[in-house]
Amino acid sequence: NAGVTQTPKFRVLKTGQSMTLLCAQDMNHEYMYWYRQDPGMGLRLIHYSVGEGTTAKGEVPDGYNVSRLKKQNFLLGLESAAPSQTSVYFCASTRTGNQPQHFGDGTRLSIL
Amino acid sequence: TQLLEQSPQFLSIQEGENLTVYCNSSSVFSSLQWYRQEPGEGPVLLVTVVTGGEVKKLKRLTFQFGDARKDSSLHITAAQPGDTGLYLCAGPNDYKLSFGAGTTVTVRA
Repeated sequence: NAGVTQTPKFRVLKTGQSMTLLCAQDMNHEYMYWYRQDPGMGLRLIHYSVGEGTTAKGEVPDGYNVSRLKKQNFLLGLESAAPSQTSVYFCASTRTGNQPQHFGDGTRLSIL
Repeated sequence: TQLLEQSPQFLSIQEGENLTVYCNSSSVFSSLQWYRQEPGEGPVLLVTVVTGGEVKKLKRLTFQFGDARKDSSLHITAAQPGDTGLYLCAGPNDYKLSFGAGTTVTVRA
């Protein structure tokens, strides 16, 4: 059972570079989320999607874009990476919005 | 703005001791979820509490939901090194979850 799979697991970028983080779930979940986790700040929601073709802003959306072209995939893009975006990024999915979320194992991103 | 406040932020205890972690809010929640996150992994759901005053037990872990549904606690009896991790509470907020900042628990052998 794969659940939620995030790729890549680690990445180092230079300031100004761009990249895309991929999240894939095989549970047929409607809702998908992208969070960043920083020490002492818990999980902060970046963007989320309530179904294929939809996206919405979360708590900290600036500097990020997302797309949900297929139900099973949720992509997070950084157009011009900044050192403040150094973090651990988690993707999660759930069947309905208030239900417990299933998380991937994270992408550790360092921006120099 | 953090809707859910967790305390303490850090907790280090000896194997066999008991511990309690708190999750408080000024808002009423329809339910609260507790997750545990181990280093290098994503959070994993431990339990959901739904009814005010509810008590749920999961082996040595006891979860309580306050009568007013504004707070919750997690009590671990006779902690073991395997209980080490980051404990997060989360409450539903429209189509999303609001997470507390977490309590890092370290159980020393």
